[in-house]
Amino acid sequence: EDKVVQSPLSLVVHEGDTVTLNCSYEVTNFRSLLWYKQEKKAPTFLFMLTSSGIEKKSGRLSSILDKKELFSILNITATQTGDSAVYLCVAESSARQLTFGSGTQLTVLP
Amino acid sequence: DGGITQSPKYLFRKEGQNVTLSCEQNLNHDAMYWYRQDPGQGLRLIYYSQIVNDFQKGDIAEGYSVSREKKESFPLTVTSAQKNPTAFYLCASSNPTEKLFFGSGTQLSVL
Repeated sequence: EDKVVQSPLSLVVHEGDTVTLNCSYEVTNFRSLLWYKQEKKAPTFLFMLTSSGIEKKSGRLSSILDKKELFSILNITATQTGDSAVYLCVAESSARQLTFGSGTQLTVLP
Repeated sequence: DGGITQSPKYLFRKEGQNVTLSCEQNLNHDAMYWYRQDPGQGLRLIYYSQIVNDFQKGDIAEGYSVSREKKESFPLTVTSAQKNPTAFYLCASSNPTEKLFFGSGTQLSVL
């Protein structure tokens, strides 16, 4: 059975801290890994990763995939209160089946 | 602007009642999906449709029904057979080479 495990389940930091969110996956015929940010209920897309070792970056957020060790990390530097959200990791198979992790609840305190 | 619209935002169901959640997209996407989200859990797939007039059961289809009569629309009916319907419901759509786009969700509660 396909599985995605995110850690930690929740995290509380102060503004300016750097955080690393982890995602490990076991997916048959893995195709890609996606990160979403969910605040106020609607997930918004952050990154899609298909190749190992290539960092994707968007502002203070970056993510990388390790297809050998079957994990991905999402880094957020210089966190702001607006980064508070649930971060979802999703693994996609070649058959376009999606397996969602349970999410990491990030709270950034002022 | 293209996007996915879910309505209503909040919905209350009485016992024994069927309710229908609306999902409309103007992104010209072929595939549409319904997910259920419970607190502390990942999204679980209820139904999906890859083309008009065709749909498949997901992991937790029991107590739900869907239709896909138009490309733009994929309504979800929560039937009285669904004994634990209180959850947040997310609709999504995509094309084969693209990421998922999500609607803003419907929170369903039981009175």
